[in-house]
Amino acid sequence: AQSVSQHNHHVILSEAASLELGCNYSYGGTVNLFWYVQYPGQHLQLLLKYFSGDPLVKGIKGFEAEFIKSKFSFNLRKPSVQWSDTAEYFCAVNAQTGANNLFFGTGTRLTVIP
Amino acid sequence: KAGVTQTPRYLIKTRGQQVTLSCSPISGHRSVSWYQQTPGQGLQFLFEYFSETQRNKGNFPGRFSGRQFSNSRSEMNVSTLELGDSALYLCASSFLGHAASPSGNTIYFGEGSWLTVV
Repeated sequence: AQSVSQHNHHVILSEAASLELGCNYSYGGTVNLFWYVQYPGQHLQLLLKYFSGDPLVKGIKGFEAEFIKSKFSFNLRKPSVQWSDTAEYFCAVNAQTGANNLFFGTGTRLTVIP
Repeated sequence: KAGVTQTPRYLIKTRGQQVTLSCSPISGHRSVSWYQQTPGQGLQFLFEYFSETQRNKGNFPGRFSGRQFSNSRSEMNVSTLELGDSALYLCASSFLGHAASPSGNTIYFGEGSWLTVV
């Protein structure tokens, strides 16, 4: 079975700071990778996804993530965060040969200070 | 087009009761999955339905069950509620329900149903 680790539980940044949230997965086969965001009181929204091709994927709101297969990582980045980025961020994975269910990391809470 | 719709949004039940939650997927989506979100356990997969058949099931007791109708709408049921079942229950839908589809298979989530068991 797949598993996902998000090492940062709570990250606090000032506006305009750069962001990088770590995500590592455990699975030997080919995977689909996702980052979801959950703003306070709102539902999970897809930030970006990787299925194949260019390992650097760009998502909404200026976020991007890089898939490094050798490191089993899919870190999320943003060059300059805004107060409105305050939310919880979840990394998720499913196996391309497996069932259509996502395995989620425990999430990283991001607080951006104005 | 409309997103994934879940009802009810909030509900309070008493221990020992049962509850039924409803989910309408995005139009055209045939795969519906259910997840439980709690502060302690995070997001955990419950089960997935595709074309009215349960395809996959997570590691939850038999008190948790679900079904899918011919119009792809889905319901999940929890019987004999326990305090620990208090959670946000999320429904998600996807078009193909096939993780290996060439164009990928994006999973969209609803706003969830907040269940409190007292």
